[in-house]
Amino acid sequence: GDSVTQMEGPVTLSEEAFLTINCTYTATGYPSLFWYVQYPGEGLQLLLKATKADDKGSNKGFEATYRKETTSFHLEKGSVQVSDSAVYFCALPSQGAQKLVFGQGTRLTINP
Amino acid sequence: GAGVSQSPSNKVTEKGKDVELRCDPISGHTALYWYRQSLGQGLEFLIYFQGNSAPDKSGLPSDRFSAERTGGSVSTLTIQRTQQEDSAVYLCASSPMGWFDSPLHFGNGTRLTVT
Repeated sequence: GDSVTQMEGPVTLSEEAFLTINCTYTATGYPSLFWYVQYPGEGLQLLLKATKADDKGSNKGFEATYRKETTSFHLEKGSVQVSDSAVYFCALPSQGAQKLVFGQGTRLTINP
Repeated sequence: GAGVSQSPSNKVTEKGKDVELRCDPISGHTALYWYRQSLGQGLEFLIYFQGNSAPDKSGLPSDRFSAERTGGSVSTLTIQRTQQEDSAVYLCASSPMGWFDSPLHFGNGTRLTVT
């Protein structure tokens, strides 16, 4: 079935470091891909999305490019801030079903 | 405007007791989802409502779990005869039509602890 695999966390970085959180997927066809973020004490919210191959989603300085060749959707940010500390989830729609399948989440901590 | 509201925010119960978890979606959102978030696990899909109907309840782990939605609005997830493995954060999300139309809006969740 359709699935998402994220890099295991937790990830700890210093402020202004470069961030990559890996996400690979298994799916039938070329579904839309999503990154959701869960800040401490808050509900999950959509961070960015890409709807077709080679699309780049971006928001709040984060970017992710839909790579069908490598079935990947890695999340990147050039210079992280303490406020980026959160749990990040990669997700895709389940084929034929009206639901999102999420990865296991990656906890990111940014130290000042 | 108001977001998705879940209650209670925390629930501690004894093994074998029944619990009810409530979700108030954003007004006008027809799609409603329940997910479960366990430590070290991803978000596990439980059930999806479109209006008051549940076209996909494939994620409910056992017949001890049930959910209903009334008036196309409030939803209740009921767990009967709770077990320790039911301990998790239960998340509710809503969307105007479904994931494909607009982002899911999540509540803060109910943390369930079964002792």
